[in-house]
Formats: sequence, C-alpha cells, structure tokens
Amino acid sequence: QLVQSGAEVKKPGASVKVSCKASGNTFTNSDFNWVRQATGQGLEWLGWMNPNSGTTDYGQSFQGRVTMTRNTSIGTAYMELSSLRSEDSAIYYCARGVELAGVRFYFFDSWGQGTLVTVSS
Amino acid sequence: AIRMTQSPSSFSASTGDRVTITCRASQGIGTYLAWYQQKPGKAPKLLIFAASTLQSGVPSRFSGSGSGTDFTLTISSLQSEDFTTYYCQQYYSSPYTFGQGTKLEIK
Repeated sequence: QLVQSGAEVKKPGASVKVSCKASGNTFTNSDFNWVRQATGQGLEWLGWMNPNSGTTDYGQSFQGRVTMTRNTSIGTAYMELSSLRSEDSAIYYCARGVELAGVRFYFFDSWGQGTLVTVSS
Repeated sequence: AIRMTQSPSSFSASTGDRVTITCRASQGIGTYLAWYQQKPGKAPKLLIFAASTLQSGVPSRFSGSGSGTDFTLTISSLQSEDFTTYYCQQYYSSPYTFGQGTKLEIK
C-alpha cells in the first residue's frame, strides 16, 4: 500500500514536494514512478526512481524541473516539481513498477491515493 | 515519444453487451502494453499487462490481445461496475505513455 501526502496549493514559480510512503517492508521491492492527471484529462508519466540505488529516469517534458528522491530509513519516496505553472495543477500519483524474474517493467500494479496540487496566484 | 491512440474516446453500451476498445501505438511495442480501469476520484487499477495477461483478482470477462502496434481490450459481458474510463499504456520505451482514455457510458 502506498500513502501520499496531502493536498498542496502553490503560487506560480514555487516548488512542491509530494511524499509517498510504502507500507511494511515493501519499500525496496520495485521502482517508484510518478504519474499525474489534470482535472478531466488523461495520465502523464513523470519518471521513476529506484529505491535501492536512487537512480532516476525523468520524462523529457520534466527534465530540469523534477527531482525524485527517497528516505530509506522511513520507507518514503519523494517527487519535487519546481518552477510551477498553472498547467502543473493536477493530481499526482505515485505508483510501483513491477519486477518479474529480476527484470523491471514499467507498468504499475500499486498506486497511491493521489495528491492534488493546485497552482494559482 | 511513442504516441498511444485509443478509440473510441467514448462509447455507450448496455449491461450484458460485449465491447471492444482499441489502442494503437505509433511504433511497434511488441506486447509491452497494459490496460487500466479508472473510476471517478480513484487511482487507476491495473487490469492487464503484457497485452493479454490478466492481473490477479481481475474478473475473467476482461481480456486483452494484440502485438506490435494494434491492441484490444474486450469486456465480454458488461456489468454495472464496468461503466467507467479505460486507459492503455506502453512500457516498451521511456517516456512511458498512455492513451487518452475511453469512457464507457450506459446507454
């Protein structure tokens, strides 16, 4: 189970940091991905982070603005998005990738409840 | 980036109907294709991965097929809880992209 932090309201140009806590001893099981969804719109993948190594891969649309980190001691992953603009207003989900026979796949079998981020002056 | 196109964008059907949703990739993705169901106010739920493998716990009325660029999600007999939105997603290459969604509505 993944539990995310609460809703945020930010001004344009600010940054937001969303957390995603994994339950039990599952933190290192598979990569953490972040997916967002603007109101009434589709799903957009932002990137992934490996909880063991901290290695990341960011979508090109978000390069330079997104940072994914983790705190292994508390089993929590973070996604920080900077230079916010109104178009970044969306629900942000963390989601686990899947590892099968030692191979990592980037479809998502477990999702957080979502965090609403509103960017408004 | 690989573009995923779903059709139709919305569709009206009745309980008990058999429905098929199509997803087309802008380039070949093998069978690296997943389907999700999303209900209003909820996170997406994984239905199918590897184009045709049913996720554990998903009812057998859901099935998937296809490879390369053309894929389908079929619901063999619509139940009331199936009237919601469906997304396909390719995980062949980064960035991992989704279709725009198909909304199933009650006729």
